[in-house]
Amino acid sequence: AQSVTQLGSHVSVSEGALVLLRCNYSSSVPPYLFWYVQYPNQGLQLLLKYTSAATLVKGINGFEAEFKKSETSFHLTKPSAHMSDAAEYFCAVRSGSYKLIFGSGTRLLVRP
Amino acid sequence: EADIYQTPRYLVIGTGKKITLECSQTMGHDKMYWYQQDPGMELHLIHYSYGVNSTEKGDLSSESTVSRIRTEHFPLTLESARPSHTSQYLCASPFRGQGTNEKLFFGSGTQLSVL
Repeated sequence: AQSVTQLGSHVSVSEGALVLLRCNYSSSVPPYLFWYVQYPNQGLQLLLKYTSAATLVKGINGFEAEFKKSETSFHLTKPSAHMSDAAEYFCAVRSGSYKLIFGSGTRLLVRP
Repeated sequence: EADIYQTPRYLVIGTGKKITLECSQTMGHDKMYWYQQDPGMELHLIHYSYGVNSTEKGDLSSESTVSRIRTEHFPLTLESARPSHTSQYLCASPFRGQGTNEKLFFGSGTQLSVL
């Protein structure tokens, strides 16, 4: 069975600082992994996805994530946070025919 | 790009009322999904459909029901709403591009509050 765990329900960074949102997965098969973002009062948007090609995946808005099989991790990073990055971020693993299992989400707060 | 439309965006109703949350997509996709998201919790799949007249229950048990009479329409119904049904409901549909390039598109969600 697949599952994901997101460490930290809230992460606060200063504008311009590194963003690191953690995600660990459990999967009995090679996983497809995703990061979604939810801005206030909006639906979920796909940030990036890993589908067994390159282990370093680049997404929209300057975000990237690295798949580390040895650590069963898929952490999301961005070198320099912007105020507009404040949102809730969800890690997800694919289970079956494109059903996704989501983590509990991490709310990113960006301080001026 | 896929367009997923959900209405209403917000709904506040009293206990015992029957409600229907609407979801529609304009791309002719076969697969559609309903997720439920409680505050601070992960999204849970409650219903899915692989085409007309195909509906299945998802990983999380739900008292809601769905129907898929037309490809573009996947409404979710609660016959008698209760406060425990208060949650956000998200409709989604995948879009398959070239090869394995498949993306899951979400609607903007319906925030349901049952008093």
